[in-house]
Amino acid sequence: GNSVTQMEGPVTLSEEAFLTINCTYTATGYPSLFWYVQYPGEGLQLLLKATKADDKGSNKGFEATYRKETTSFHLEKGSVQVSDSAVYFCALSEGGSEKLVFGKGTKLTVNP
Amino acid sequence: DTAVSQTPKYLVTQMGNDKSIKCEQNLGHDTMYWYKQDSKKFLKIMFSYNNKELIINETVPNRFSPKSPDKAHLNLHINSLELGDSAVYFCASSLDRGRYEQYFGPGTRLTVT
Repeated sequence: GNSVTQMEGPVTLSEEAFLTINCTYTATGYPSLFWYVQYPGEGLQLLLKATKADDKGSNKGFEATYRKETTSFHLEKGSVQVSDSAVYFCALSEGGSEKLVFGKGTKLTVNP
Repeated sequence: DTAVSQTPKYLVTQMGNDKSIKCEQNLGHDTMYWYKQDSKKFLKIMFSYNNKELIINETVPNRFSPKSPDKAHLNLHINSLELGDSAVYFCASSLDRGRYEQYFGPGTRLTVT
């Protein structure tokens, strides 16, 4: 079945540090890939997405590139801020399906 | 004018009780979802409705019964609550079926004692 594997957290960084959160997936077809963010006490928000190989999703300084050869969709940001502290979820949906399969989430804490 | 709203925000109840969580979206979306997030933050889909029709029904105990009175509402009723039902339940909606962005509600934290 389809699955998403994220790097274990928590991740703690200082402000302006570089962020990478690894995400790899297993899927039988050609999934769409997503990063969702959950700020404390809130629901999830879509951060960025990519629908086909080599697409790059970007938003709010975050980027992720759909790599079919390595089945990966790593999240990066060049300079994190305290306000980026949240839980980040990698997810996929396959074959035009609305069903999202989530990774286990990675908690990021950014200290001033 | 919250896009996806849920009530209640917190729900504390005893084992064996029956409870409901309500969800409403004012986005004009056709598809709605219920997700469960456990204590380790793992998020898993439970149900999805499209135009009041059930389209996703994961392996969820039949104590859980979703009801969609209209496109804008998807309620979750839980019978005979168990300790393991304690979790945060999120409602979400999307424009239609398929790979559309899903908009999540703020969640309902259910604690079963």
